[in-house]
Amino acid sequence: GAVVSQHPSRVICKSGTSVKIECRSLDFQATTMFWYRQFPKQSLMLMATSNEGSKATYEQGVEKDKFLINHASLTLSTLTVTSAHPEDSSFYICSAWEASGADTQYFGPGTRLTVL
Amino acid sequence: QKEVEQNSGPLSVPEGAIASLNCTYSDRGSQSFFWYRQYSGKSPELIMSIYSNGDKEDGRFTAQLNKASQYVSLLIRDSQPSDSATYLCAVNRDSGYALNFGKGTSLLVTP
Repeated sequence: GAVVSQHPSRVICKSGTSVKIECRSLDFQATTMFWYRQFPKQSLMLMATSNEGSKATYEQGVEKDKFLINHASLTLSTLTVTSAHPEDSSFYICSAWEASGADTQYFGPGTRLTVL
Repeated sequence: QKEVEQNSGPLSVPEGAIASLNCTYSDRGSQSFFWYRQYSGKSPELIMSIYSNGDKEDGRFTAQLNKASQYVSLLIRDSQPSDSATYLCAVNRDSGYALNFGKGTSLLVTP
């Protein structure tokens, strides 16, 4: 199946710093990528939809100025958590939708963010 | 808020038995339904997708969809200890590609 990578897989940072997470589709073009967040014992919650070449669409309650998304190419989307706080500690997972029309999302391996 | 509901479990079944996982959803406009398996600390892995009413079989897995009842289920035959994981039901949102996930059912297959 198609492969989606994320980098880094794990990051620990101090409160107030910014963290960038990369999501790459390795063997297909993805016009649309999604960013999800999962807190312990909870399900995945959609944060935003990232479209190549246009602004991301954020879900209600997700601060667009805090979670900056850039989808600069058909294979790369980045999520930057600005001025991170301990409550932002979570498992961030991206997924990519193959542009050829296959009705399947491919999930990245996730990034575990811990804010001290 | 569109909802996807699952029994959190844990559901415990002996090795070799059939595990039955259930999911209900609230959005009648949903067209695509998915079952994902998630191991602790890992991202979800697609098990099955189903789009039409009825059954869809893939190896030991069978997905069942009933749109009138807004119900989707997953059967796992000949359950193995390696099947022990959290199973997430996901439904497409707003006729698009983003997904609403249930909270997942924890499955434990005992040797």
